[in-house]
Amino acid sequence: DIQMTQSPSSLSASVGDRVTITCRASQGISNSLAWYQQKPGKAPKLLLYAASRLESGVPSRFSGSGSGTDYTLTISSLQPEDFATYYCQQYYSTPMYTFGQGTKLEIK
Amino acid sequence: EVQLVESGGGLVQPGGSLRLSCAASGFTFSSYDMHWVRQATGKGLEWVSAIGTAGDPYYPGSVKGRFTISRENAKNSLYLQMNSLRAGDTAVYYCARGRDVMDVWGKGTTVTVSS
Repeated sequence: DIQMTQSPSSLSASVGDRVTITCRASQGISNSLAWYQQKPGKAPKLLLYAASRLESGVPSRFSGSGSGTDYTLTISSLQPEDFATYYCQQYYSTPMYTFGQGTKLEIK
Repeated sequence: EVQLVESGGGLVQPGGSLRLSCAASGFTFSSYDMHWVRQATGKGLEWVSAIGTAGDPYYPGSVKGRFTISRENAKNSLYLQMNSLRAGDTAVYYCARGRDVMDVWGKGTTVTVSS
């Protein structure tokens, strides 16, 4: 099974900050990676797929990059509505899928 | 509006069974793979099962042999039959649309396994 490890597990930042979250796969996943945002009590929301492709309607301050085993989600300028938990998900081993453990982004 | 609505959650004793349903609307249900994903309170997301457009099911080891995913395209509905339930199966269960990437999610239904 492919394991996904996110870092950090939690992060404090201020409005306007640039933030980066990292996701590392236990083996290469050839950009088969999605990022989701989840707010308390709500369902996850797809942000990016194929490591760097922005889902329709998602603000351009969100971006993704990476290759091989290491991937990043960057928020260029944090907005109040961005404080949430973020998850990566690999689909290289389709039809078996795994999520990272999540990164909680909190207001400093 | 594209929408997924889960139902069927509740309280069940260990060893018991429960059947979850997911009603889809606003898109051609038969054309999409579908998933169940769960989340225990305060924990992360765990993929539980998937079903292809042809009805082919997939499961991780944690639920294989206990859970059965199915779909009824004529009713735009997805199901999850859960047997031999354990305390560790307690979670909010979401249905989600998509082949590999889950682009539409329901609001979830809560399953509690407890005596």
